[in-house]
Amino acid sequence: DTGVSQNPRHKITKRGQNVTFRCDPISEHNRLYWYRQTLGQGPEFLTYFQNEAQLEKSRLLSDRFSAERPKGSFSTLEIQRTEQGDSAMYLCASIHKLTGGTEQFFGPGTRLTVL
Amino acid sequence: AQTVTQSQPEMSVQEAETVTLSCTYDTSESNYYLFWYKQPPSRQMILVIRQEAYKQQNATENRFSVNFQKAAKSFSLKISDSQLGDTAMYFCAFILMDAGNMLTFGGGTRLMVKP
Repeated sequence: DTGVSQNPRHKITKRGQNVTFRCDPISEHNRLYWYRQTLGQGPEFLTYFQNEAQLEKSRLLSDRFSAERPKGSFSTLEIQRTEQGDSAMYLCASIHKLTGGTEQFFGPGTRLTVL
Repeated sequence: AQTVTQSQPEMSVQEAETVTLSCTYDTSESNYYLFWYKQPPSRQMILVIRQEAYKQQNATENRFSVNFQKAAKSFSLKISDSQLGDTAMYFCAFILMDAGNMLTFGGGTRLMVKP
């Protein structure tokens, strides 16, 4: 499978716990994006990486959120001290910027439920 | 800041008929792309069609076509010969080129194709 993969697909946690999600982009895609999608809404941008550098963060990304892409390949998104308002689908997408592509390829998402 | 508005939360169409989904956007920039993404139930988001702002000709992809009215900042999607597999959430989205290429999404239109 050469598409974008995300793990886990579902995560249920209790308020106050920390969670970490992983995204594996398409091989050689140098840009990686994280979005959050609440039920019935369109996705909202959180942050993006070009290779290993985190170039922009949305103001939606509070201090409890941190993202990394240590070797310019896979990325992790960690939420500390989860709150019920963090319940959402977290989507990852990748793109090969160097070839001038504009199509972002999305993963299946990680659905987070905070109890 | 860029905004994308989809004024039709839900629509339905009979199989084999034609349906048009509406989208308006707001930007003061001139170098951008517009997209329609499809998100089937419990499946990942995929690109349906894209339009470069500097091209006057409307994009088409098989049964899918757009009506791009740049002055009116309108970008509607027409689906011809609707099929049951077209049932999905449809999101209109915007990218400002050379500014990170992060997508700004509308709120989505839920399309149901009825047999």
